[in-house]
Amino acid sequence: GNSVTQMEGPVTLSEEAFLTINCTYTATGYPSLFWYVQYPGEGLQLLLKATKADDKGSNKGFEATYRKETTSFHLEKGSVQVSDSAVYFCALVGITGANNLFFGTGTRLTVIP
Amino acid sequence: DAGVTQSPTHLIKTRGQQVTLRCSPISGHKSVSWYQQVLGQGPQFIFQYYEKEERGRGNFPDRFSARQFPNYSSELNVNALLLGDSALYLCASSYGTGTLAGNTIYFGEGSWLTVV
Repeated sequence: GNSVTQMEGPVTLSEEAFLTINCTYTATGYPSLFWYVQYPGEGLQLLLKATKADDKGSNKGFEATYRKETTSFHLEKGSVQVSDSAVYFCALVGITGANNLFFGTGTRLTVIP
Repeated sequence: DAGVTQSPTHLIKTRGQQVTLRCSPISGHKSVSWYQQVLGQGPQFIFQYYEKEERGRGNFPDRFSARQFPNYSSELNVNALLLGDSALYLCASSYGTGTLAGNTIYFGEGSWLTVV
C-alpha cells in the first residue's frame, strides 16, 4: 500500500540555518510527491511538487528532489527565516486515478531569531 | 480569484448529533476531496468526488457520507457524532483526478468541529 514516513519533530533552528526534513515513501509504481505547509490556524498550502523521478520541485527557497532509487523526497532550504515556522507535511498521490493524498505525520519547524 | 471555500469555520456539536460541512471548489475545478485532520496528525483521506461521482473512499465508517452537486460544490455529512470525530475537516479541489502533471490539489482553510 501507499505510505509516507516523515522525520519526527519538532525541529528548532536559528534564523539563517540550513534545513533538512526527511521523507521516504512506499508506493506502487511512480506516485506524485508533494510538500504541503500549514501555518498556525490555517489550512494546507502546497509548497512544491514533483511528478516523476529526478524531478526537483522548488518554491520560496525550498527544494526537494524525487529520488526513485532511495524512495525519498527530502525537503531542504539553505537559510530559514522566522516566517518559515510552520508544520510541514510530505504527501503522495498514488496511481489509482483518484486524488487520495497520503500524508506523513508532519514536522513542526520553529525558527528563532 | 477565490480559493477553496469552506463553511462553517468552527462549530460545536453534541455526541449523537449530525453535522453537515460545505465546500465550494476553485472555479473550474471538477474534483472535490475531503480529509480529516486530528490534532497533531496528518490529514486522512475520507472521500473524493469527480464529476459528481464518487472516485475514492478512505477507511471511515458509514456514518460519513458526501455528495457533489451540479455546480461541483460538495457537502460532507457525519451522523451519530462521536467525541473522536472532533477534528479539522479539510476540503480540497483540483481540475482533474489522478497523477496528471497539471493536477495540483488545493486545500481550503477547513472547518473545525468539536464534539462535546
